[in-house]
Amino acid sequence: QSALTQPPSASGSPGQSVTISCTGTSSDVGGYNYVSWYQQHPGKAPKLMIYEVSKRPSGVPDRFSGSKSGNTASLTVSGLQAEDEADYYCGSYAGSKNYVFGTGTKVTVL
Amino acid sequence: EVQLVESGGGLVQPGGSLRLSCAASGFTFGSYWMSWVRQAPGKGLEWVANIKQDGSEKYYVDSVKGRFTISRDNAKNSLYLQMNSLRAEDTAVYYCAGGTTTLGYWGQGTLVTVSS
Repeated sequence: QSALTQPPSASGSPGQSVTISCTGTSSDVGGYNYVSWYQQHPGKAPKLMIYEVSKRPSGVPDRFSGSKSGNTASLTVSGLQAEDEADYYCGSYAGSKNYVFGTGTKVTVL
Repeated sequence: EVQLVESGGGLVQPGGSLRLSCAASGFTFGSYWMSWVRQAPGKGLEWVANIKQDGSEKYYVDSVKGRFTISRDNAKNSLYLQMNSLRAEDTAVYYCAGGTTTLGYWGQGTLVTVSS
């Protein structure tokens, strides 16, 4: 049950794109199409942004997209906006009804 | 509107116990796996436990096995986490969340502080 690996930080100017990686193993990210991404603003609860690798819940802008290759998943935020500045966590089903989160990435809008 | 409202957090001494509750509304609670997730101050998210719709299956992260017990009461649309033998490293905001392969609904969290 080791945490998935994310870069500690990422940044971009308004209008630009930023991509965050999430690296796991064949027992979690690589083994299932149950990768999610969560956005968390300071002092707030996490919010689901992407589920099942690339699906967007209702109400999430299409600027947010997800993908996966092997044991690494990615979240891309296109057309960065000030309100996108937040912490982002990936999460993956890890088998045997266990769940594992990533280490988290702080996204800064320059 | 989906709502998950946690309660029961507070300050407790090492070795003590606490019971967290989560009241659900706005969705069919009994149709969902439910989970507890925690976040230590300034740290990342950690999945703690989950429970099947009928309560027949329960799973825990290794660090809380034997100390924490997850349960639910579908008639009351409520989720619980009984925490015993608490340690300083259990200090965190505890969130209840709907789902198990995807955590789609989240509460606002309740803070548990374990300190003497």
